[in-house]
Amino acid sequence: AQSVSQHNHHVILSEAASLELGCNYSYGGTVNLFWYVQYPGQHLQLLLKYFSGDPLVKGIKGFEAEFIKSKFSFNLRKPSVQWSDTAEYFCAVNALERSGTYKYIFGTGTRLKVLA
Amino acid sequence: DTEVTQTPKHLVMGMTNKKSLKCEQHMGHRAMYWYKQKAKKPPELMFVYSYEKLSINESVPSRFSPECPNSSLLNLHLHALQPEDSALYLCASSQDRVRHEQFFGPGTRLTVL
Repeated sequence: AQSVSQHNHHVILSEAASLELGCNYSYGGTVNLFWYVQYPGQHLQLLLKYFSGDPLVKGIKGFEAEFIKSKFSFNLRKPSVQWSDTAEYFCAVNALERSGTYKYIFGTGTRLKVLA
Repeated sequence: DTEVTQTPKHLVMGMTNKKSLKCEQHMGHRAMYWYKQKAKKPPELMFVYSYEKLSINESVPSRFSPECPNSSLLNLHLHALQPEDSALYLCASSQDRVRHEQFFGPGTRLTVL
């Protein structure tokens, strides 16, 4: 079955540490890739997205992600995290299925805690 | 207006009740979605409407019945739910189903007694 994997379920970092969250997907065809964030008590919001072009995309709040097609990966990075980055991060893939429809699949999520 | 609104914020219902969840967006989006999210889990897709027509039903039990009265509104009618249906129900919308991000509402926290 097609899937989206986030291998880091819980990450704890100190402020100013660098962050990299992994995301791998198993779709072989056309994909659109997203990272969403869910801050405590808030709704899901978009961090960044990739459709085509430059595989290094920049998002809000200093986040960036790199699409590596050969590795089916779309890892999220931030050079220096802040306490306010404490949240749950979801990778999502919108992929064209054999049925001809697009389907949105979320990864299992990574819970990030940043220590002040 | 880049907001998706959902009402009610919280809902407690018995297994014999009938209730409805409501979602509204005024961004001109033509795709709308219902998700179910259990605690510490990712959102699970339930239904997708595209141009007011149901395009995806992820094998959701018939006790959940979606409705899209117009391009701005999405309802989820609930009947004879089970306690295991207790979850956060999220609504989202996107410009279309292909190359656009989804905008999420705050969700309705549903408790089935």
